[in-house]
Amino acid sequence: DVKVTQSSRYLVKRTGEKVFLECVQDMDHENMFWYRQDPGLGLRLIYFSYDVKMKEKGDIPEGYSVSREKKERFSLILESASTNQTSMYLCASSSTGTTDTQYFGPGTRLTVL
Amino acid sequence: GESVGLHLPTLSVQEGDNSIINCAYSNSASDYFIWYKQESGKGPQFIIDIRSNMDKRQGQRVTVLLNKTVKHLSLQIAATQPGDSAVYFCAEVSSWGKLQFGAGTQVVVTP
Repeated sequence: DVKVTQSSRYLVKRTGEKVFLECVQDMDHENMFWYRQDPGLGLRLIYFSYDVKMKEKGDIPEGYSVSREKKERFSLILESASTNQTSMYLCASSSTGTTDTQYFGPGTRLTVL
Repeated sequence: GESVGLHLPTLSVQEGDNSIINCAYSNSASDYFIWYKQESGKGPQFIIDIRSNMDKRQGQRVTVLLNKTVKHLSLQIAATQPGDSAVYFCAEVSSWGKLQFGAGTQVVVTP
């Protein structure tokens, strides 16, 4: 079974703090994704990566950066957290191959005070 | 069915009945579609997928129907159970493996 894990289920941070969200997948997938999920807005793509050290902006990259130093790990960084970044953050991975199915982690609910 | 807005559409189904969840997609060039289920407090889970060269695909208790003419996708769940209560999302694969998600439909199974 594909397993995608995220470092924290719940996180509370203060405005202005630097926040790291970590994601690890164990299926040797090339592609990794970060989404945020908000009520009524569905899942919105923040950043994605199709290879180590490669990254591409998604639909809402402002206020975020990412790092992919190893194939299995994809980190989302909030350089200076703001209250409008309070959200559920979901990581996903997929293989470049026969299907594009993305497999999701359990999510991190981030609250910025 | 799916819609974009502040309130998630809700489908209330009696246990044992069949459920039909609808989704309209936007890109006529999309050739791959996926249904996900998301239970409260969890990440989305893959249910079933379908390619554009098919109009029907069946899984265990689930069937996906694709109508390319009207850009419509549906998910049918047979004999709905309490464990089927969740939010269901359709997703279309746009460019390069990126998924475009619908807003989701909340399914509530009543005894």
